[in-house]
Amino acid sequence: EDKVVQSPLSLVVHEGDTVTLNCSYEVTNFRSLLWYKQEKKAPTFLFMLTSSGIEKKSGRLSSILDKKELFSILNITATQTGDSAIYLCAVEDYNQGGKLIFGQGTELSVKP
Amino acid sequence: DTEVTQTPKHLVMGMTNKKSLKCEQHMGHRAMYWYKQKAKKPPELMFVYSYEKLSINESVPSRFSPECPNSSLLNLHLHALQPEDSALYLCASSPFGGAFNEQFFGPGTRLTVL
Repeated sequence: EDKVVQSPLSLVVHEGDTVTLNCSYEVTNFRSLLWYKQEKKAPTFLFMLTSSGIEKKSGRLSSILDKKELFSILNITATQTGDSAIYLCAVEDYNQGGKLIFGQGTELSVKP
Repeated sequence: DTEVTQTPKHLVMGMTNKKSLKCEQHMGHRAMYWYKQKAKKPPELMFVYSYEKLSINESVPSRFSPECPNSSLLNLHLHALQPEDSALYLCASSPFGGAFNEQFFGPGTRLTVL
């Protein structure tokens, strides 16, 4: 059965800290891995990763994929209170017409 | 217009009511999705419409009935729901059906079934 596992499930840090969120997957027909940030309502898209070893970067956030070891990490440097959210990792299965298999999410809380 | 909109934002309904959730996007996306999300859980896929045809139905009970009247609109008709159906219902769209395209989510409808 396909699955996506995120760790840790929750994390509390102070402003300015750097955090690393993990996502491992077992998906038979992997096509891409996506990261989303969810605050109060809808998940907002962060990154889509399809190739191993190529870092994607957006401001203080970056992410990389390892297709051999079947995992991805999301890094956030110099964290701010506005980074507090649930970070969702999802893997796209190409045999299932766009279906995203979500992990449980990591709840990040950044304290002032 | 680069967003997915959903109405209503909140809905409270009794178990005998019939109501509908609406989702709209004007980004020219050809795939649209319904998800259900319970508190502290990830979104669970319910339905996928690709080019206005239902392409995925994740064994959702028949009290949920999706409809895609055109490429910009997606409805979810609700009838005879149960209290355990209370959740955040998220709509998403993506440029194409299938792979390699990120899904953009609407703000959701918070549904409470009494």
